[in-house]
Amino acid sequence: SAVISQKPSRDICQRGTSLTIQCQVDSQVTMMFWYRQQPGQSLTLIATANQGSEATYESGFVIDKFPISRPNLTFSTLTVSNMSPEDSSIYLCVLTGQGTGGLSYNEQFFGPGTRLTVL
Amino acid sequence: GENVEQHPSTLSVQEGDSAVIKCTYSDSASNYFPWYKQELGKRPQLIIDIRSNVGEKKDQRIAVTLNKTAKHFSLHITETQPEDSAVYFCAATYSGGYQKVTFGIGTKLQVIP
Repeated sequence: SAVISQKPSRDICQRGTSLTIQCQVDSQVTMMFWYRQQPGQSLTLIATANQGSEATYESGFVIDKFPISRPNLTFSTLTVSNMSPEDSSIYLCVLTGQGTGGLSYNEQFFGPGTRLTVL
Repeated sequence: GENVEQHPSTLSVQEGDSAVIKCTYSDSASNYFPWYKQELGKRPQLIIDIRSNVGEKKDQRIAVTLNKTAKHFSLHITETQPEDSAVYFCAATYSGGYQKVTFGIGTKLQVIP
């Protein structure tokens, strides 16, 4: 299975600031997604990170609030902008697809997550 | 889009008993149904999955069944152990084009020793 790393693993931020989360994968993957998991809740898809083009956002999420970059097939960033306490959550990088690392088609692999607390 | 409903939201069983978690999906195009286990403070991990051309799949104490006609699928854990205590998520997706995965709300399973 692919090795996925996220940085930072956790952070405590002040209201109104922004945080950029990085996701690094050890193999080239076609599809990368960013999910949010609020305390005690399920996994909500924020957007699909498209390599070389603008991310595809789900209903309720916009680029101004959650800008995403995907410069290549192994790296992506998610920025949480102008944060408020409601943004306190775990943010997860998830990947799927068949890459050079031997991932199974359609199996999802979750990054370790970034636990964000906004004061 | 796909909508996945999962129940119960919480489940307590005595050690050794069986646990069953049920999910329904709305999109008849969905053909891949994974189940994830998330232990406290950890990331979700795939524990079993089933594709639409199969009605049942078993892996040791874990089994999953799928009824395409009724659009529901279930996770069965037999001989539960305390280490089975976790949150379980069902999910549905269409594997034909790298479609996004839709997750259920999760079931918190507690196995009482």
